[in-house]
Amino acid sequence: EVQLVESGGGLVQPGRSLKLSCLASGFTFSNYGMNWIRQAPGKGLEWVASISSSSSYIYYADTVKGRFTISRDNAKNTLYLQMTSLRSEDTALYYCARGGVAPDYWGQGVMVTVSS
Amino acid sequence: DIVMTQGVLPNPVPSGESASITCRSSKSLVYKDGKTYLNWFLQRPGQSPQLLTYWMSTRASGVSDRFSGSGSGTYFTLKISRVRAEDAGVYYCQQVREYPWTFGGGTKLELK
Repeated sequence: EVQLVESGGGLVQPGRSLKLSCLASGFTFSNYGMNWIRQAPGKGLEWVASISSSSSYIYYADTVKGRFTISRDNAKNTLYLQMTSLRSEDTALYYCARGGVAPDYWGQGVMVTVSS
Repeated sequence: DIVMTQGVLPNPVPSGESASITCRSSKSLVYKDGKTYLNWFLQRPGQSPQLLTYWMSTRASGVSDRFSGSGSGTYFTLKISRVRAEDAGVYYCQQVREYPWTFGGGTKLELK
């Protein structure tokens, strides 16, 4: 069974950093591109970043470019999102999702709240 | 960036009826390989989004054949036949033709 379990969220002050993790199981992690997608409270979905299976290709939304870094460790079956210079508008539920152009499995999400 | 615009459903929809959700893109989603890079998702209340269709009309694994995607390069429809209680939620279209990927604002389906 495919499982994606996010962790690392919490309450953080504006300007600080946080690192999210997504532990994958039930499939060959190194064969799949992965994504981070977020959802602000009561709002719609917003794509954040994507990384190819071997980390050769990485893409970011303009809203996070230069502040967030997506990475992965295929030996640990884990996807990461390093978030720096956090802003109130980054407050959201962050999902990791498997897949290239068809994100077919999603985790339950991890909440990040940016507030003083 | 490609802008995705979703239509509104005349809610609530009677159980057993059909519902069609529309989505429009500001640019053609047809890639040079001939595929149309448009996904549909359903997010039930309190749950993570579920992939319904990709490449505009290919159903994801395990998705009921009551869901069917269609469209052109810039105008898309997700049809839900014989609507059931478990179909309630917010439907999102997403373009993956080019980065940055973008989602529509969502269309809520409520059942009567």
